[in-house]
Amino acid sequence: KAGVTQTPRYLIKTRGQQVTLSCSPISGHRSVSWYQQTPGQGLQFLFEYFSETQRNKGNFPGRFSGRQFSNSRSEMNVSTLELGDSALYLCASRGSYEQYFGPGTRLTVT
Amino acid sequence: SQKIEQNSEALNIQEGKTATLTCNYTNYSPAYLQWYRQDPGRGPVFLLLIRENEKEKRKERLKVTFDTTLKQSLFHITASQPADSATYLCALVVSGTYKYIFGTGTRLKVLA
Repeated sequence: KAGVTQTPRYLIKTRGQQVTLSCSPISGHRSVSWYQQTPGQGLQFLFEYFSETQRNKGNFPGRFSGRQFSNSRSEMNVSTLELGDSALYLCASRGSYEQYFGPGTRLTVT
Repeated sequence: SQKIEQNSEALNIQEGKTATLTCNYTNYSPAYLQWYRQDPGRGPVFLLLIRENEKEKRKERLKVTFDTTLKQSLFHITASQPADSATYLCALVVSGTYKYIFGTGTRLKVLA
């Protein structure tokens, strides 16, 4: 089976802009979670989607949003980017109990 | 407050020795706990899962223990090799939810 894919891999944006990241889970996986990883805060949970519905949400502002399509692919959107949004954004699809992570999208906000 | 702590930010050990990493949690009721490995520039990779009613799990050179009384999990790598150098993350899945809470990780370096 192909692994989790994320596009783009690298992104540079300017403060105030918005960005959309994409994630394709492992075939057959219906759960997709998004995480933000920074050196200071570690891996922080953003939200989880299951069968097109948001099932869990972390403690992030409303500027961070997501959605999932009927084919389980997911997108994450960040509006009004701030410098502090610079991070590695990881998505993961869930098997029986474990999560399979993609390579991440490195977002730099200048 | 709810948190997961991995007691060492970095750990250096000599090749061939056993590396022991610690994960402590407070104020959670875990369904199970997992350990992941992350290499620089890559996403975490699942290694082992241990349930709340299990004391120990093994996989090749890896061993995980789980003590719900102490609220602690220990992760051991025996006969460590330089290729084991990576960041290791523990993740707790809260009982009754599908929510994963990750620790900040321990950066392990195995010296040849």
